[in-house]
Amino acid sequence: GQNIDQPTEMTATEGAIVQINCTYQTSGFNGLFWYQQHAGEAPTFLSYNVLDGLEEKGRFSSFLSRSKGYSYLLLKELQMKDSASYLCAVVDSNYQLIWGAGTKLIIKP
Amino acid sequence: DTAVSQTPKYLVTQMGNDKSIKCEQNLGHDTMYWYKQDSKKFLKIMFSYNNKELIINETVPNRFSPKSPDKAHLNLHINSLELGDSAVYFCASSQVDQRDTGELFFGEGSRLTVL
Repeated sequence: GQNIDQPTEMTATEGAIVQINCTYQTSGFNGLFWYQQHAGEAPTFLSYNVLDGLEEKGRFSSFLSRSKGYSYLLLKELQMKDSASYLCAVVDSNYQLIWGAGTKLIIKP
Repeated sequence: DTAVSQTPKYLVTQMGNDKSIKCEQNLGHDTMYWYKQDSKKFLKIMFSYNNKELIINETVPNRFSPKSPDKAHLNLHINSLELGDSAVYFCASSQVDQRDTGELFFGEGSRLTVL
């Protein structure tokens, strides 16, 4: 079967750095997305990785290792507004999106 | 200016009723989707339409029927509502080709509560 694993919840301190991991087992791979979802709102796009390595976009970076079936989202200089759920989603061989259950990130002052 | 809009945002109804949720996108995308997000926050694909043709039909009850009058609209009709249908339903669109799925643009969600 197809499976996306990410931690259910994480807590971090304002101004710090946090890494949210995602491991996947899918039938084929055509890219991996990270989305952010604030409570009561729609998911919004953060990043897309299809090649191995690190993609940096401001305070957020996303890393992919296809051989390990592994990705992480790195958030630097955490702000209170970063409190949200972070969803990992993988594009399988049929170009269908397989979603993880999301990681709820709690930022404390 | 809203890219993907869906209505209503909130819907409270009794078991057994029939209801519809409408969705429109002004991005010119070829593909539209309906997702269900339950209390555990897990996003589950229900349907997707590409150029008015159903290309994904997950194992959802046939009480749920998507209707697409044109490529900018994908409405969701639900018959004989059940308690377990209570969830947030998200409409989304993307430009899909054979190289990648493209970024998904989500509507604001429609919170359905069945009493």
